[in-house]
Amino acid sequence: DAGVTQSPTHLIKTRGQHVTLRCSPISGHKSVSWYQQVLGQGPQFIFQYYEKEERGRGNFPDRFSARQFPNYSSELNVNALLLGDSALYLCASSLDQGARTPLHFGNGTRLTVT
Amino acid sequence: KQEVTQIPAALSVPEGENLVLNCSFTDSAIYNLQWFRQDPGKGLTSLLLIQSSQREQTSGRLNASLDKSSGRSTLYIAASQPGDSATYLCAVSGTALIFGKGTTLSVSS
Repeated sequence: DAGVTQSPTHLIKTRGQHVTLRCSPISGHKSVSWYQQVLGQGPQFIFQYYEKEERGRGNFPDRFSARQFPNYSSELNVNALLLGDSALYLCASSLDQGARTPLHFGNGTRLTVT
Repeated sequence: KQEVTQIPAALSVPEGENLVLNCSFTDSAIYNLQWFRQDPGKGLTSLLLIQSSQREQTSGRLNASLDKSSGRSTLYIAASQPGDSATYLCAVSGTALIFGKGTTLSVSS
C-alpha cells in the first residue's frame, strides 16, 4: 500500500510569494495533519483536518491556511512568505481525528525562502 | 502547556553497544507516546507507540517504556549498528503530537 505522499519534494521561493504544498493520505485515512520542522528542532503542529473540517490549529499566523478535499487529500497554503518559513513541512495521516491513533508521516516538502 | 524534553541531544557510541535515550514530558494527560526515527532531510518513521495504559512496547532490538506518573519514557536500543545512526524523536499525544527536539545518534563501526 502506498504511504503518505507529498509534493513537491523541494521548493525555492522568494520572500513575499505564496506557496501551496500538497499531501495524499494513506488509503482509508480520513485525517490529515500538517507540521513544520525547522532545522535542529522537533516538528511543530500547524493544522489538523478530519472529514474535510478543521479540527485543530497550532500557534501559527493567519498567513498559513489549509483545506481538505472530498478524497481526503490536503493542501497547505502559506502567503507572504518570510525567511523564517524555510523549513521541512511534514504531512501525516491517521484513521481518526486527534492523535489517539498512530500518525503516519510523509517524506516532507523542503521549502527554502530566499 | 505540554513540553517534551529529550536527553542527551547527541550521542556517539561504538557498534555493538547497548544504549538508552530519554524523554520527559510535563503533563501526564496523554493518549499515547510515540518514538520516531528521522534520517537527515527525510520524513519520520514510526518505531514504537505506547498507549497511555501500557508500560512498554518492543520491536526487534528496540524497547520503549512509559511511566506516565513521572512523565518519563526511555528507548532502549540493543546491540547498536551503524545503520541505527539517525535522529530519534519522542512525541506525546494530546489533540496533536508534541515533539521533543530529538537525540542525534551516531554509531561507529
